[in-house]
Amino acid sequence: AQTVTQSQPEMSVQEAETVTLSCTYDTSESDYYLFWYKQPPSRQMILVIRQEAYKQQNATENRFSVNFQKAAKSFSLKISDSQLGDAAMYFCAFSMEYGNKLVFGAGTILRVKS
Amino acid sequence: DTAVSQTPKYLVTQMGNDKSIKCEQNLGHDTMYWYKQDSKKFLKIMFSYNNKELIINETVPNRFSPKSPDKAHLNLHINSLELGDSAVYFCASSQYPREETQYFGPGTRLLVL
Repeated sequence: AQTVTQSQPEMSVQEAETVTLSCTYDTSESDYYLFWYKQPPSRQMILVIRQEAYKQQNATENRFSVNFQKAAKSFSLKISDSQLGDAAMYFCAFSMEYGNKLVFGAGTILRVKS
Repeated sequence: DTAVSQTPKYLVTQMGNDKSIKCEQNLGHDTMYWYKQDSKKFLKIMFSYNNKELIINETVPNRFSPKSPDKAHLNLHINSLELGDSAVYFCASSQYPREETQYFGPGTRLLVL
């Protein structure tokens, strides 16, 4: 069974600084997808970024980028120029190709200090 | 327009009651899901439906019964509610298998007293 581990229960960052959230996963599959979702206090689950395992290039979305290390089964999220609105719980998630479900990590609370 | 909507957003009820949560998506997706987020914020899949057909049932008690009248709707009915059912329930949808990204509804916070 696939597992996703987020080893940082909580992180803090100063506004305008950069922060990296860690995620590791375990799978024997070669084709899969990885996601970062953001859950602000409103509790809405918002897709931040996705990565296809077959793509070597790391995904980027504006201030959000990932460092995908397939051999190490690592998928970290880098947030640049942090803003107060980035404060939220961040979940790393895994989906097998044709897997039909997301497996989530335990989440990392990100606090942004002004 | 809201892509994935759920009703109600909040539900407070007594132990032993039966309640339903409704979910609708207007994204044209053919696969819908229910996830449960517990008090520690852990998210876990409960059910998955593809074209109204049950695909995944993750060892959920049979007091939980999903129903999909059409591709755009997936409702969750819960019988004989227990204290441990208190959680946030999320509906999601995707265009499986061509698109793995799942889009979530706003969640329904269920409190069983």
